[in-house]
Amino acid sequence: GQNIDQPTEMTATEGAIVQINCTYQTSGFNGLFWYQQHAGEAPTFLSYNVLDGLEEKGRFSSFLSRSKGYSYLLLKELQMKDSASYLCAAAGTNAGKSTFGDGTTLTVKP
Amino acid sequence: EAQVTQNPRYLITVTGKKLTVTCSQNMNHEYMSWYRQDPGLGLRQIYYSMNVEVTDKGDVPEGYKVSRKEKRNFPLILESPSPNQTSLYFCASSPGTGVRQPQHFGDGTRLSIL
Repeated sequence: GQNIDQPTEMTATEGAIVQINCTYQTSGFNGLFWYQQHAGEAPTFLSYNVLDGLEEKGRFSSFLSRSKGYSYLLLKELQMKDSASYLCAAAGTNAGKSTFGDGTTLTVKP
Repeated sequence: EAQVTQNPRYLITVTGKKLTVTCSQNMNHEYMSWYRQDPGLGLRQIYYSMNVEVTDKGDVPEGYKVSRKEKRNFPLILESPSPNQTSLYFCASSPGTGVRQPQHFGDGTRLSIL
């Protein structure tokens, strides 16, 4: 089966950097996704990694190590609007089945 | 505007009364999926469809049915709803190779089964 673990909650200060970790176990591997979900809203796509290394997109970066089954999402220059839940999702061998972690709720404080 | 549209957004109903939640996408995506989201449990996949007339079970399919007669529509059917199906439901779609591409989510449907 597939299993994804990420911390339940994190708190950080406006302007700071925060790293949200995700470990996964999948049957085969076809990519690791990060989504952002504000309270009461739909998840929105942030980033995708299928090869080892760092993908950078503005203030957000995502890293993947396939050998370790590990990814992280790095948020720089935190803003209050970054307060949200961040969902890690893995794609395995089955192209139709999607497994999400329970999400990490990030609170950004002034 | 490219979007996934779910209806209704909110519904309160009673045990045993059949209901359908509609989902429609205007992006010509092959793949569509239904999820439920409960506090502390994240998004759990109910059913998915790789293309028209092709559907398969996700991790929590019990008590649900789906159909995919047209590419744009993927309704979720609860034949005999029960209180444990009270949840927030999301429909999602993606092009081509299913979950190997980013999914686009609808705004969600909050169901309360009394």
